[in-house]
Amino acid sequence: KNEVEQSPQNLTAQEGEFITINCSYSVGISALHWLQQHPGGGIVSLFMLSSGKKKHGRLIATINIQEKHSSLHITASHPRDSAVYICAVGGSQGNLIFGKGTKLSVKP
Amino acid sequence: EAQVTQNPRYLITVTGKKLTVTCSQNMNHEYMSWYRQDPGLGLRQIYYSMNVEVTDKGDVPEGYKVSRKEKRNFPLILESPSPNQTSLYFCASSLRFIQGDIATNEKLFFGSGTQLSVL
Repeated sequence: KNEVEQSPQNLTAQEGEFITINCSYSVGISALHWLQQHPGGGIVSLFMLSSGKKKHGRLIATINIQEKHSSLHITASHPRDSAVYICAVGGSQGNLIFGKGTKLSVKP
Repeated sequence: EAQVTQNPRYLITVTGKKLTVTCSQNMNHEYMSWYRQDPGLGLRQIYYSMNVEVTDKGDVPEGYKVSRKEKRNFPLILESPSPNQTSLYFCASSLRFIQGDIATNEKLFFGSGTQLSVL
């Protein structure tokens, strides 16, 4: 069993839809990161969470430490949001474990 | 501009020929790390460093070496590359902070990646 599970693996949405990507983990963590990787490969950090909720523009990330679960929400999705979204959990020792990613495609 | 600089962007080599991929950051970050990304396997951590002269193995360290002689640089060395090391490699850095009694990474900054092919 993978230590970090993301769902769904693939997601197709129409422009304007509300999108949710989920991340569940089975290990103790000090922080959870949400990353975005566009075609072409570059990786950008969207959020670092250790508790609660964070918002940046149309993106919202939440984490429930007790349930070992995090969600990434995109409101009013746009074709430029098409990318792979990756969840990564960090231990206090500096190690990072990644989910396999969710490939999002937003159609105009 | 705050950035992580990774070179080269593309590299084709032959089995057994030693190579180094360089990584440098200008943000005075304590933490630096190397990852490889393979289709179907996602990103996996190779090595990481919490500070100068401190390095630790990640999930897939076999066949790789690293060193952290200066805070800004964290090169990845393949002493005898093999075809199974063909992959897309990323370097990243971040600050570390203490929350309660737990140390953790702040926001991660990634290099632009190195596509390595070992023939």
